[in-house]
Amino acid sequence: AQTVTQSQPEMSVQEAETVTLSCTYDTSESDYYLFWYKQPPSRQMILVIRQEAYKQQNATENRFSVNFQKAAKSFSLKISDSQLGDAAMYFCAYRLYGGATNKLIFGTGTLLAVQP
Amino acid sequence: EPEVTQTPSHQVTQMGQEVILRCVPISNHLYFYWYRQILGQKVEFLVSFYNNEISEKSEIFDDQFSVERPDGSNFTLKIRSTKLEDSAMYFCASSELLGGQFFGPGTRLTVL
Repeated sequence: AQTVTQSQPEMSVQEAETVTLSCTYDTSESDYYLFWYKQPPSRQMILVIRQEAYKQQNATENRFSVNFQKAAKSFSLKISDSQLGDAAMYFCAYRLYGGATNKLIFGTGTLLAVQP
Repeated sequence: EPEVTQTPSHQVTQMGQEVILRCVPISNHLYFYWYRQILGQKVEFLVSFYNNEISEKSEIFDDQFSVERPDGSNFTLKIRSTKLEDSAMYFCASSELLGGQFFGPGTRLTVL
């Protein structure tokens, strides 16, 4: 069964600095998606970035980028130039690409605090 | 930008009562989902729905739960006889065949 692990329950970063959130996963599949979702205090789940496993190039979305290491089954999120609005819970998630299931499997989350 | 909407934002009910949570997925999406998040815990999959039938469900989704797409726009989750442990945030999501799932703002269910 696929699992997603986020080993950092909490992280803190100074405004304008860079922070990296870690995620590892376990799967025997070769084709899948990985995602980072942001959950601010409103508890809305916001899709931040996605990565297709077949793509070697790391995904980027403005100040957000990932470091995808397929062999190591690692998928970290880097937030550059951190802003106060980045403070939230961040969830890493896995989804099989095609196949019989397309449910998301989430990690336990990392709570990011941004210090002014 | 299209978005998933959910109503109500907060539902308070007595144990044993039936509740219906409503969602309007993004209009051109074909896959619909319900997830729940107990306070302080991770988000858990409940059920996925495609082509007017359940395509997958989790162990949580027992006989007390049902889903329906009563018309071309709404997608509902019904809990027949609520229990205290059903108190959680319930998220509806939708997607195309491939790619990310887009979540609604959630319904906070409180069972007293």
